Order: sequence, then structure tokens, then C-alpha cells
Amino acid sequence: DSGVTQTPKHLITATGQRVTLRCSPRSGDLSVYWYQQSLDQGLQFLIQYYNGEERAKGNILERFSAQQFPDLHSELNLSSLELGDSALYFCASSGDEGLYGYTFGSGTRLTVV
Amino acid sequence: GEDVEQSLFLSVREGDSSVINCTYTDSSSTYLYWYKQEPGAGLQLLTYIFSNMDMKQDQRLTVLLNKKDKHLSLRIADTQTGDSAIYFCAELNQGGKLIFGQGTELSVKP
Repeated sequence: DSGVTQTPKHLITATGQRVTLRCSPRSGDLSVYWYQQSLDQGLQFLIQYYNGEERAKGNILERFSAQQFPDLHSELNLSSLELGDSALYFCASSGDEGLYGYTFGSGTRLTVV
Repeated sequence: GEDVEQSLFLSVREGDSSVINCTYTDSSSTYLYWYKQEPGAGLQLLTYIFSNMDMKQDQRLTVLLNKKDKHLSLRIADTQTGDSAIYFCAELNQGGKLIFGQGTELSVKP
């Protein structure tokens, strides 16, 4: 157990739907990062939050949004889902600036049918 | 631009050493990492190295950093079947984002 908890582990939904992925960071970590892993794109950075504020944005689609709550858990919202959104979505957390690496959760596997 | 490249596959025999290579383009990268991903699991941080170091050893793992050539390698001594996984090289860019390579799938044959 890495200390980063992601729910649900698996999600199957239809095109056009909206889903919410949830992440609880490791105790004491203020930063949360979201990554998308797909076969063709590899691991792509989506977005980072630090203590409730958006810190950095990567290749995140406009249909996707995220937030970090006062208790530091984070949610990634994916809307108007397309088949191509099927992927593994990872959350990671870190203390300070992540200099010693990020701690990853076990991921949410999203299948859009 | 930022790019991290790795070869996609490596196959070794149990007991041999494995060497996984990685090249990066951001010459200002000062923090580099190796992660391991087993099937169906998340990424596990194996080790990291800072740019003021040339080598770091941790039990069976040895990381070598050649800053001039922007080349990073991970050597696993006495490779076991349990080491079969995908290994990712990553660099922390100036914006504080972790940029990953495509991953090298290590297959260990008994």
C-alpha cells in the first residue's frame, strides 16, 4: 500500500457520460498530480494541485477538470466521454516540490464503451 | 523541448544483469528517477539521482548518470523473475512536472 488511495479501481461507462475519479493523497503530502496512461500516449501529465490551488497544467482536455478540497483529497472529472478516453488514470502525491519523487496510487481503469 | 526516450523491450536470463537505458533532452534536469510498474499496479519509485551525482547504488540497483550525453541507466544485478515489469525513466522539469519515458518492458526468462 503506497498510501495514495484511488477509487474506484475500475469504471465502465458509455460515451457521452460523465465520471468522477477520486484520490486521497499520502498523509502529509500537499501536492496531488493526475496522470493518464494509455498504450499509444504513454504516461501523460494532466494537472497538479498544491494545497488546494492549481499549480501546473499539462495536456488536459477542456472536457476534463479537477479540484483539490480542503482535506487535500482530489477529484478528476471527465465529461462528454469518448472511446479514446479509455485509459488508466493515476493520482500521485508528494511533499515539498516532489524532489524525492512522487508516490503513485494503483490507478483507476476507465473503459468507455 | 522535453523528451525522455527509452528502448521498449529488454529480455534477460535469470541471474544475469539487466541494463535499462534512458536519454533525456532537458539539459537543466537536475532530478532523475526510475519507477517500476508491475502488471495491474501503479508506479513504484525505485530510486532517484540528482545531477550532482554520477552514480548511486542501492542493493541490486545501480544508477549511472552521464550529464554530458544526457544518458541515464539502471542496472539490476542478479535479475530475478520477480523483476519482470515495465521500468520508467523520468525527469523533473523546471516547471516541477515529472516527465516520463515510454517505459522499457523487462522480461526475465528462467
